[in-house]
Amino acid sequence: QVQLVQSGAEVKKPGASVKVSCKVSGYTLTELSMHWVRQAPGKGLEWMGGFDPEDGETIYAQKFQGRVTMTEDTSTDTAYMELSSLRSEDTAVYYCATADSSSDPFDYWGQGTLVTVSS
Amino acid sequence: EIVMTQSPATLSVSPGERATLSCRASQSVSSNLAWYQQKPGQAPRLLIYGASTRATGIPARFSGSGSGTEFTLTISSLQSEDFAVYYCQQYNNWPPGVYTFGQGTKLEIK
Repeated sequence: QVQLVQSGAEVKKPGASVKVSCKVSGYTLTELSMHWVRQAPGKGLEWMGGFDPEDGETIYAQKFQGRVTMTEDTSTDTAYMELSSLRSEDTAVYYCATADSSSDPFDYWGQGTLVTVSS
Repeated sequence: EIVMTQSPATLSVSPGERATLSCRASQSVSSNLAWYQQKPGQAPRLLIYGASTRATGIPARFSGSGSGTEFTLTISSLQSEDFAVYYCQQYNNWPPGVYTFGQGTKLEIK
C-alpha cells in the first residue's frame, strides 16, 4: 500500500516560488511514476506533469513548461514540485499522485497542499 | 492535446436510482480512460480504469463502459455516499505520460 504525505500549506507573494514535497512510504520512489495535479478553488483537476520511469524523463504539461520543476530524492523517497513566478491564478490545492507506469492511471494520491498566492 | 468533455455538468438523482455520466474524448484514447470520485475536502479516488475495470475495493454498483472517444460511468443504485464530483481522465500512451481530465460532473441529491 502506497502512502503519500505532502508538506503543509504555503502563502506566497506574486512573483515568488513555492516548493511542495511528497514523501512516499510503502514503496520506493523508483518503483513509481510520480505526478502532480492541481485544483484551483471550486474548479476541476489539472495535470501539471510527471515522471516517466521507462525513459527516465519528466514530462510537463505545456501550460507549465518553463515555470515548473519536478524532482525526486530517491535517498529519502521524496518528490518535489517547484513552481516559480507565482501569480494569483496559481492559488490552488496541489496534489502528488502515483501510477504504476506512465501509461497507467493515478491509484494513490497525497492529501493535498494548499498554496495561496496573495500580496 | 486531447480534450475531455464531460456531460452533464450537474446531475440530480434520487437515492436508489441509477446515474449515468458521460465523457467524450476529442480523439481516440482506446480504453485508456479512468474515472475518479472526489468528495469535498478530499483527494480524488480512482474508481475505474481501462474504461471498465473497477479499482480495488470499489463496489459493484459502479461500472464503466466505452472505448475510443465515448465513455460512460454508471452507478446502478445511488447510495448517500455516492454524491460527489466525478472526473474522467485519459492516459493514452502517446505522447507518453500526458494526461488530461474532464471538467467534472457534480452528482447531487434530487
